[in-house]
Amino acid sequence: SQQGEEDPQALSIQEGENATMNCSYKTSINNLQWYRQNSGRGLVHLILIRSNEREKHSGRLRVTLDTSKKSSSLLITASRAADTASYFCATSGSSGGSNYKLTFGKGTLLTVNP
Amino acid sequence: EPEVTQTPSHQVTQMGQEVILRCVPISNHLYFYWYRQILGQKVEFLVSFYNNEISEKSEIFDDQFSVERPDGSNFTLKIRSTKLEDSAMYFCASISTFPGNTIYFGEGSWLTVV
Repeated sequence: SQQGEEDPQALSIQEGENATMNCSYKTSINNLQWYRQNSGRGLVHLILIRSNEREKHSGRLRVTLDTSKKSSSLLITASRAADTASYFCATSGSSGGSNYKLTFGKGTLLTVNP
Repeated sequence: EPEVTQTPSHQVTQMGQEVILRCVPISNHLYFYWYRQILGQKVEFLVSFYNNEISEKSEIFDDQFSVERPDGSNFTLKIRSTKLEDSAMYFCASISTFPGNTIYFGEGSWLTVV
């Protein structure tokens, strides 16, 4: 079964610096999504990248996808203290149908120090 | 922006008691999901629901769990006889069509079984 596994597990940076988180998975995917979760809160969708896309931008976020290496990265530029959260990648399979579901990684805990 | 709403936000229950967690998915969405996240662990898929029936369930979703869409707007998760290990954050999610579309998650319902 596919899995998203993020690294690092924890990342601490200073405000203004860039943060890069990586995600690896095991099987073919249809798309890969990144979510953010503030402590004890819900999952907020950040960005979706399809398997035929290599790079996508949304504001300060940049996501890359390398299907040959089965990996993705999330870059947050010019980080802010408010970016402090856990970040998860989640993959969906290529089978489609009504069984569309996401498989989540363990997440990266990002701490941005003011 | 439309959102998935969940109630209650937090529930404490005695072991062995029945619990019903409620969700109102986004109104034009067709596919509904429950996920759970045990504290400090991955978000795990429980069940997907389409066209008034379960389309897929995980091994976690045993006979103690059931889902229902009683009135065309609410989507409920029932745990018949709660166990300590059911303590987790339960997320409801919905999507309009797939693949390639965003799954929207609710804020979650914290369930604490004592």
